[in-house]
Amino acid sequence: GAVVSQHPSWVICKSGTSVKIECRSLDFQATTMFWYRQFPKQSLMLMATSNEGSKATYEQGVEKDKFLINHASLTLSTLTVTSAHPEDSSFYICSIPRTAVAYYGYTFGSGTRLTVV
Amino acid sequence: QQQVKQSPQSLIVQKGGISIINCAYENTAFDYFPWYQQFPGKGPALLIAIRPDVSEKKEGRFTISFNKSAKQFSLHIMDSQPGDSATYFCAASKSGGSNYKLTFGKGTLLTVNP
Repeated sequence: GAVVSQHPSWVICKSGTSVKIECRSLDFQATTMFWYRQFPKQSLMLMATSNEGSKATYEQGVEKDKFLINHASLTLSTLTVTSAHPEDSSFYICSIPRTAVAYYGYTFGSGTRLTVV
Repeated sequence: QQQVKQSPQSLIVQKGGISIINCAYENTAFDYFPWYQQFPGKGPALLIAIRPDVSEKKEGRFTISFNKSAKQFSLHIMDSQPGDSATYFCAASKSGGSNYKLTFGKGTLLTVNP
């Protein structure tokens, strides 16, 4: 599968500030990337689909203005948590599908632990 | 509506035993069924995956059994080892276009005792 680099691995920020998380595809041109959120001892919840050169597609219930996604190139997608609050504290993970055909699999980043204090 | 149901929520197995995790899906359009292993603080890693045209796939100690008519699939871990202790997620997706996003089960926390 694709090699995915996610950065930072953890971040602590003050309430009201914004945090940017990067997801890079190191060996594959990714027109699509997925962003997930995971609370402790829970499953992964898809937040949005990041599309290179166009607007992201957000899942129902996900605030577009709070979770800004930018997919400016075929190798980089960023998720910015704006005006973060303690309830935004979570584990954020990106995923890159190898191709548009599901059979070829998805590769996940190592995740970013966000703590808002 | 939960499209992929996973059980059990947690599982404790002795070293050398067989770990079995089950999943059931509802959407008959799903055509890709992977299992992921996740260690604390890490992203999920693909363990093994199957397509609906086969009933079983084996890779080393890991086997997926797939029952299309029952819309169920399961993961079997043979000779379970303490290093297998992790959370396991089943998932499903349908290929093609923008519809190939994964739907995950709720996860199973596996503990293998030495």
